[in-house]
Order: sequence, then C-alpha cells, then structure tokens
Amino acid sequence: GAGVSQSPRYKVAKRGQDVALRCDPISGHVSLFWYQQALGQGPEFLTYFQNEAQLDKSGLPSDRFFAERPEGSVSTLKIQRTQQEDSAVYLCASSRIKGGVGNSPLHFGNGTRLTVT
Amino acid sequence: GQQVMQIPQYQHVQEGEDFTTYCNSSTTLSNIQWYKQRPGGHPVFLIQLVKSGEVKKQKRLTFQFGEAKKNSSLHITATQTTDVGTYFCAGPERSGGSNYKLTFGKGTLLTVNP
Repeated sequence: GAGVSQSPRYKVAKRGQDVALRCDPISGHVSLFWYQQALGQGPEFLTYFQNEAQLDKSGLPSDRFFAERPEGSVSTLKIQRTQQEDSAVYLCASSRIKGGVGNSPLHFGNGTRLTVT
Repeated sequence: GQQVMQIPQYQHVQEGEDFTTYCNSSTTLSNIQWYKQRPGGHPVFLIQLVKSGEVKKQKRLTFQFGEAKKNSSLHITATQTTDVGTYFCAGPERSGGSNYKLTFGKGTLLTVNP
C-alpha cells in the first residue's frame, strides 16, 4: 500500500480485556517496529521484527504484551488483561532495510489510540 | 540506557518569528534523525544527519549535528502556521552491533500565532 496502515484507529477496552492491534506495513518493507507513545511524550521502542523474526522485544513492558509477524508482512500487537497504564497510542513503523535506521527512515502509521477504562 | 533530551518542551511564536529546538544525547550517536508530528498525526521523517558538524537545509529548516555527535538542533526561519507540530529528535541505540532501536526525545511542541 501507499503507507503503513493500522487498525483500529481507536480502541476502548475495559480493564482486564484482551486487545489486538493490527499493522499493515508498506509492501516489501523488511523491518517492522512497534512503539508506544504516551500523551506528551516521544515514542518508546517496544519491539522489532526483521521479516518474520522478532529480533528484539526488550521494550515490551510486561509479559502481557505479545507481538507477532508470522509471514513477514502484517503484524499484530496483543495486550492481555489490559490495565489503565496501558492507555497510550501504539505506533507501528516500517522500513525497507534491515535495522531501518541506517539509510532508510522509519515510516509510521497513524497509530491506534488505546484507552483502558 | 541512552537518554535523549530536548529543549524547550513548548515554544509559542508569532508567525514570521524564528524557532529553534535543541537535542542532547547522553551518548555519542552514529546518526540523528528528526521527525515532525502534527497534532493528532503520526511522526513523519524529516532528515537524518550522519557526519560530525554536518549542516543540512530544507527550505526554511536548518539542521545541525554537533562536532561531538552528541547534540543537534533544528532551526526554522520565519515560521508559518503550517510549521505547527511537535518536533522530535531521535538517535539509534547500539545493541549487539546493530543500531535499529531509536530513542526519541520528548519533543518540542511548536505553536504559531497567525
């Protein structure tokens, strides 16, 4: 597609519910990243995929967070038993090269705004 | 871990005034990137600086990378209402020989009074 697509755009979940956030990266982009952006803050790294391999998940806040990219294209970020502190915008970004920050910038999606009540 | 700090946090200017935001890293960076996020939007890549002391211009925007590769600045000349948004700097964090993990500053929110 023309850009990185994320869905849903907004998600309201009751505390304790599970949510799944979807990211469609730009076609052919090797690298895929998930970032979390709290209100008034910069994006914070969650996890990184190179094709279907999850090479780094060090930024995931807890074991309630799980991400996958089984076929090396679409990715899903799942949050189990959501808590209020999970409320944030979840941004997906892709890049055409490995690593993504060498000579190729990150292309961000519009994000999913998650509100946990 | 690596920290990236930006000042000021907010800047309000009259249209036509200049604007500068400053970025400092706790570690030496291989490169620094700048992104702009419009209100309600997503970060959009502006530029990447790689060389020590590098200066790049994009129309009214001037980007600088410090000699020690630990600081950077973005200067906008004669601001326009279209410049409104939050400007983030971001630097890659070295991890196991790779540098894919970007650490973002908290950003500078620029508002412009027409």
